[in-house]
This record gives sequence, structure tokens and C-alpha cells, in this order.
Amino acid sequence: QQQVKQSPQSLIVQKGGIPIINCAYENTAFDYFPWYQQFPGKGPALLIAIRPDVSEKKEGRFTISFNKSAKQFSLHIMDSQPGDSATYFCAASAPGGGNKLVFGAGTILRVKS
Amino acid sequence: GAVVSQHPSRVICKSGTSVKIECRSLDFQATTMFWYRQFPKQSLMLMATSNEGSKATYEQGVEKDKFLINHASLTLSTLTVTSAHPEDSSFYICSARSRRQGVVFGSGTQLSVL
Repeated sequence: QQQVKQSPQSLIVQKGGIPIINCAYENTAFDYFPWYQQFPGKGPALLIAIRPDVSEKKEGRFTISFNKSAKQFSLHIMDSQPGDSATYFCAASAPGGGNKLVFGAGTILRVKS
Repeated sequence: GAVVSQHPSRVICKSGTSVKIECRSLDFQATTMFWYRQFPKQSLMLMATSNEGSKATYEQGVEKDKFLINHASLTLSTLTVTSAHPEDSSFYICSARSRRQGVVFGSGTQLSVL
């Protein structure tokens, strides 16, 4: 059972565009929602994370929007660059369990120059 | 920032041999570490939770005797793939939780079993 549903599977944007990646979850016990960026042959790197008590969080060019009632959250990448081309994963975890993360299926982003 | 070091980054072995992968938290202590497996163009699948000083907790469907996990200290967890077969070829990634930076991942180990 996929607990975090991520879409789209892949995305192509022009340089400077704003790709948006969406995730939805069912488990209302989740209280931590990070986004990871992964380049081929490397481990995922934390980009930004949010907790349900805020609706938006911005760090540099990356913004998370969070809709608690809809159980959805999304990643926006402002002024996207070719170097942002990577696979992006959303994830979620619940209290306890030592921060065991449940991952979305991933979105392959390509930013064309 | 918090760093998780994983070694080796790539290993090729013959079928039937065992391979050990190390995961170290370099500047923080981790009572819990996680081991994931990732196939090409797929998401990360949690294999097991490694607990310092106690037995690992394995996810459903993961063979405990094939994937041996040892978490002997607060900074080191190891995953040993025993009697490896070609179907065990995959990208293995560990992670640990840092108080300052949340869950931090290692750089991964690409295992190829011939």
C-alpha cells in the first residue's frame, strides 16, 4: 500500500520555469514532510521540510505548500535551472519510530536550457 | 552540517560471496539508522531499522538471514549481504537522524553481483 502518492512521474520545464510536484497522504498521524533531491548514483539530499502547523515554507528557490485538510503538499522550484535536473522525492513520517520515512514514488525533473 | 558516510560506494562481487556495507554518522550520534534499497528509476524501499545495541527491525518481506544488520556503536551500522546473488544487485542507502538536520542519507552503495 502506497502511503504517499506523488505526481507527476516526470516533468520537463524550460529554464526559469516553476515546476510543481504534488504529494498526497492518507495517514493523519504523519507530522513531518520532507522533500529530497537525488542525483544519479548518489543518496538523497534533504531540500526542505515542513510540519503541519504551517501552510507554507520557503528556503531559497524551494517552497513547500501544505494543505492539511486536503492531506496534500507540494514542492515549487522557482527560477528553475538545468542544475536542478534530478529526481525529487516527497516523504512523510509519524511521531515515534525514530523518524521512519515513507517515500513517494519520485518525480524525474528535467530543466531544459 | 551532519554527514553520514557510507562505504564502499561501489562493489562488485561473485555470486555466493558476502558483502559488508558500512554506514557512519561522522559528527553526531545515531541510536537509530535505516537501510534502504533502491532499484533503477524507483523509489527507496525501507529494508530495516537498525537500533544501537539491539536487534534490527526488518520490514515485511526482507530476509533477516540474508541481510544482516549490526549497530554496534552510536556512529556505526553495517549491512552484510550474505551469499549474494544477481537479484541482490541494487543501490543500498543508509540514513540516520541528526537533531539539527533531520534525516540525513549516506551517498549509497551500488552492489553488482556477477
